[in-house]
Amino acid sequence: DGGITQSPKYLFRKEGQNVTLSCEQNLNHDAMYWYRQDPGQGLRLIYYSQIVNDFQKGDIAEGYSVSREKKESFPLTVTSAQKNPTAFYLCAVATDLNTEAFFGQGTRLTVV
Amino acid sequence: AQRVTQPEKLLSVFKGAPVELKCNYSYSGSPELFWYVQYSRQRLQLLLRHISRESIKGFTADLNKGETSFHLKKPFAQEEDSAMYYCALRSGGSNYKLTFGKGTLLTVNP
Repeated sequence: DGGITQSPKYLFRKEGQNVTLSCEQNLNHDAMYWYRQDPGQGLRLIYYSQIVNDFQKGDIAEGYSVSREKKESFPLTVTSAQKNPTAFYLCAVATDLNTEAFFGQGTRLTVV
Repeated sequence: AQRVTQPEKLLSVFKGAPVELKCNYSYSGSPELFWYVQYSRQRLQLLLRHISRESIKGFTADLNKGETSFHLKKPFAQEEDSAMYYCALRSGGSNYKLTFGKGTLLTVNP
């Protein structure tokens, strides 16, 4: 299954609640990424992490938070401050330069 | 700041016709460029990368630093090429930031 697991596949939350999306990998890759995919917007980078205990904001980090306590895991929390949280979220992992990024199957979050 | 622009949201061609998906980038350093493809109900996957100078499924892409472009080309499109295509740029050096364009939906008609 590509070594990247995103769970759950579908997630429903009430407005105002924080929610955490899981991304786990067993590829032993250093870099991990979170993207948001919206129709007509492509993939927009939320956060990325190059090594454990370090991460950087992407282009649309407001309203999101992450942690990287373990190499295998890079959870994304969608906070109540995110104005439009309903979206498809993709996690990816990669190793050093010039190599491909591997993507998870994604989590579709719906906030009602 | 790094940016990737794919000017065409939609591209429709007939089977056997040539196809070119455009990609322009903005980056001050030496970028690494990639094309990713997403077939219906499948994960996003790498199609090709500029550093390899390879041809995958008949597709090629040449990095033109003067025009800051990395257009994807195929001389004879096939119906199975119908998919969403994303151009991506990765920072050089020790920064692993990976930025995608908005994508182009290619439809190859019979």
